[in-house]
Amino acid sequence: LAKTTQPISMDSYEGQEVNITCSHNNIATNDYITWYQQFPSQGPRFIIQGYKTKVTNEVASLFIPADRKSSTLSLPRVSLSDTAVYYCLVGDTGGGNKLTFGTGTQLKVEL
Amino acid sequence: DGGITQSPKYLFRKEGQNVTLSCEQNLNHDAMYWYRQDPGQGLRLIYYSQIVNDFQKGDIAEGYSVSREKKESFPLTVTSAQKNPTAFYLCASSGTSGADTQYFGPGTRLTVL
Repeated sequence: LAKTTQPISMDSYEGQEVNITCSHNNIATNDYITWYQQFPSQGPRFIIQGYKTKVTNEVASLFIPADRKSSTLSLPRVSLSDTAVYYCLVGDTGGGNKLTFGTGTQLKVEL
Repeated sequence: DGGITQSPKYLFRKEGQNVTLSCEQNLNHDAMYWYRQDPGQGLRLIYYSQIVNDFQKGDIAEGYSVSREKKESFPLTVTSAQKNPTAFYLCASSGTSGADTQYFGPGTRLTVL
């Protein structure tokens, strides 16, 4: 399984754009990059998934360079409710395959 | 919570007792998973199942057991052999293609007294 490295914590203010970068140097050809959000005492919630280039949905964008050795989750105009832990995962997320969750990035958004 | 239910939300047990955590999904997913989360830590995989009547050990299976008799159900038993069972337990399910994402339940917080 590809190991991921992401910052332990980040601070931001409401209305700003937040970019969280994840390094995954040994990503395999068939691996997808998936980001989850988790609030305290809740299950992780899927945010976005991509394989290459750029993916955008209603809540975030995911930028993946050509070598796929890193990825950046972009949260536009964050609010207080975006304060959470964000996990970057690399691998086959479905099919009963194992996922490895690191400690994630604790994002704190202030007024 | 995406059609996955876990019960109860909070569970208290005395040391030495076995306890079973429930996980049910109505997403018609073939794969199901159990994770454990300790304070300030990421999720660690306990067991996973790709299909009914089949399951595999994850990274921390010792002291736990599971069954998969029905597609929609994947109960986890925390046995007395688990040395430190107090934790937050999360169940998830997914389809079986490589791009299918895992959907998580709300979790059960188990406290062993």
